[in-house]
Amino acid sequence: EAQVTQNPRYLITVTGKKLTVTCSQNMNHEYMSWYRQDPGLGLRQIYYSMNVEVTDKGDVPEGYKVSRKEKRNFPLILESPSPNQTSLYFCASSPRTFGEQFFGPGTRLTVL
Amino acid sequence: AQSVTQPDIHITVSEGASLELRCNYSYGATPYLFWYVQSPGQGLQLLLKYFSGDTLVQGIKGFEAEFKRSQSSFNLRKPSVHWSDAAEYFCAVGANTGTASKLTFGTGTRLQVTL
Repeated sequence: EAQVTQNPRYLITVTGKKLTVTCSQNMNHEYMSWYRQDPGLGLRQIYYSMNVEVTDKGDVPEGYKVSRKEKRNFPLILESPSPNQTSLYFCASSPRTFGEQFFGPGTRLTVL
Repeated sequence: AQSVTQPDIHITVSEGASLELRCNYSYGATPYLFWYVQSPGQGLQLLLKYFSGDTLVQGIKGFEAEFKRSQSSFNLRKPSVHWSDAAEYFCAVGANTGTASKLTFGTGTRLQVTL
């Protein structure tokens, strides 16, 4: 089944404890992206990647890192999480830059 | 920079009634426009998209949207709403700068359907 998977789905952590949210797609898509969703703010793009080893900042990149070493994986790294990063995170992939984006199920992160 | 405005935060309609969700965008060139739906606790699903050509776009689940360049709008419509359409709807605009790729979402409209 074609899909985007994210792990973990739910995570509660404490300030400053490094964490990684994984994202994997099995559709051989070139384009991948991370968003955060906050009430009243919609979805805001954190980082995106147009291909392996090609990443760029979105609207709200501060406090986040990404890497794209393989086509299928696009992990989101929070090196020192803070409470303002408590949010619902979505990973998405697309066969091309402006094609349909396929979204993962989301990761709900709480930083205490 | 592009932006999207969804002026209605929350809309309530009766089942069987028609629906129109508003979306206005700001972008200097020809935009790529999308509507996504998010059911409670779920990810986002694409309803329809506009890249070029016919300004009336048909999507899944009986939805359609019309691109009006003069009004910078891309409103979503459905002639008869079903209770299962209750969800949050997001309009998005994609920008193509040649070297950058950016999808900007609106803040969403929550649709409630009364029986």
